[in-house]
Amino acid sequence: GAGVSQSPRYKVAKRGQDVALRCDPISGHVSLFWYQQALGQGPEFLTYFQNEAQLDKSGLPSDRFFAERPEGSVSTLKIQRTQQEDSAVYLCASSLETSGGRTGAQYFGPGTRLTVL
Amino acid sequence: DAKTTQPNSMESNEEEPVHLPCNHSTISGTDYIHWYRQLPSQGPEYVIHGLTSNVNNRMASLAIAEDRKSSTLILHRATLRDAAVYYCILRDRMNRDDKIIFGKGTRLHILP
Repeated sequence: GAGVSQSPRYKVAKRGQDVALRCDPISGHVSLFWYQQALGQGPEFLTYFQNEAQLDKSGLPSDRFFAERPEGSVSTLKIQRTQQEDSAVYLCASSLETSGGRTGAQYFGPGTRLTVL
Repeated sequence: DAKTTQPNSMESNEEEPVHLPCNHSTISGTDYIHWYRQLPSQGPEYVIHGLTSNVNNRMASLAIAEDRKSSTLILHRATLRDAAVYYCILRDRMNRDDKIIFGKGTRLHILP
């Protein structure tokens, strides 16, 4: 079956540009997560949605980062006025469980590699 | 979530078993032990998880020490496709958050 898809796979932006990264989770998955992965590091949590509600955005590095999931399915991560330090792979993951099931697997997309020049 | 310690890298020969260790001496009673792996240019992939008893699935086996302060992911017969970064993660079922806290993991090299 279809897994988590992300688009675009690669994005090059000039410093100061706004970017929007899209995530299509697995159909029916309640929870959706965004992670940021710098080169050579493990992924780091950015934000978490349960259906359309953003329950945790503690990992967003600045107010230039904004995420939404208006209908509880597709999500968009927007970065305003991109900076060079925003260059990273942005990973989206989804899972079936709500916050009551912390043993459930998260299914990750291939990521979007963002390069800010 | 409690912290885990893994070797930075390991090597193994193709078609031989691989034992990937993980220490988690501060594990709590409500922490589940999860393993994910990340192949080159891909997102992380769930491998296996367990609480106290050893677990087996089609991908791997998870051996958990009796005191739960360490665990070992076992790949029974490594192939070149198993070359990846393997993350050992603790997830507390009592936490409100579902987020995964990754460390740096172990980079596994498979020698042909």
